Amino acid sequence: QLVLTQSPSASASLGASVKLTCTLSSGHNNYAIAWHQQLPEKGPRYLMKVNSDGSHNKGDGIPDRFSGSSSGAERYLTISSLQSEDEADYYCQTWGTAIHVVFGGGTKLTVL
Amino acid sequence: EVQLVESGGALVEPGRSLRLSCAASGFTFDDFAMHWVRQAPGKGLEWVSAITSNSGSVDYADSVKGRFTISRDNAKNSLYLQMNSLRAEDTALYFCARDLDLDVWGQGTTVIVSS
Repeated sequence: QLVLTQSPSASASLGASVKLTCTLSSGHNNYAIAWHQQLPEKGPRYLMKVNSDGSHNKGDGIPDRFSGSSSGAERYLTISSLQSEDEADYYCQTWGTAIHVVFGGGTKLTVL
Repeated sequence: EVQLVESGGALVEPGRSLRLSCAASGFTFDDFAMHWVRQAPGKGLEWVSAITSNSGSVDYADSVKGRFTISRDNAKNSLYLQMNSLRAEDTALYFCARDLDLDVWGQGTTVIVSS
């Protein structure tokens, strides 16, 4: 069964970097994922797609501070030079068969 | 400007029906697959349903299969979600999103199922 696992919470200091992790279930190491950001009381925003080889394609207007990478079954979202407006929920998402979509549980990022 | 605007959310009693709409603008609607995603209060995102650009293929989450129907009208640049036999657990903010990558999202419309 295709499952994405995310830590419920993460925190980092203003100006620092943080690396969020999304782990694919066994047997799905080669799957690409997408990262979405949801600010408080807002609709989600597409950040990027991260492929199994670590390459990533960012959405329009996504700052250079946001990057993606991969290692085995793990997909990462790294945010550098953290700003207060980066405090949000971050969701990873992948694709099952055809157009079927699966979301991770989300990580709530707190900027200290 | 690329935009998705959901509408149709309401307070409805359990067992009743509701139809949500998503109006698309700023892009060629019939080039893209579309999705419905929901978020229960205080919870994460849950994928609900998707439809290909020509309506040739649709898919549903197990939690709504047999009760919800996704459709689209490319001439009207609109996506729909017909929700029947609504349950309390269907209470959520419902978003539409564009393309297989879900690269554009609306702001959502609220559905509350309660007696």
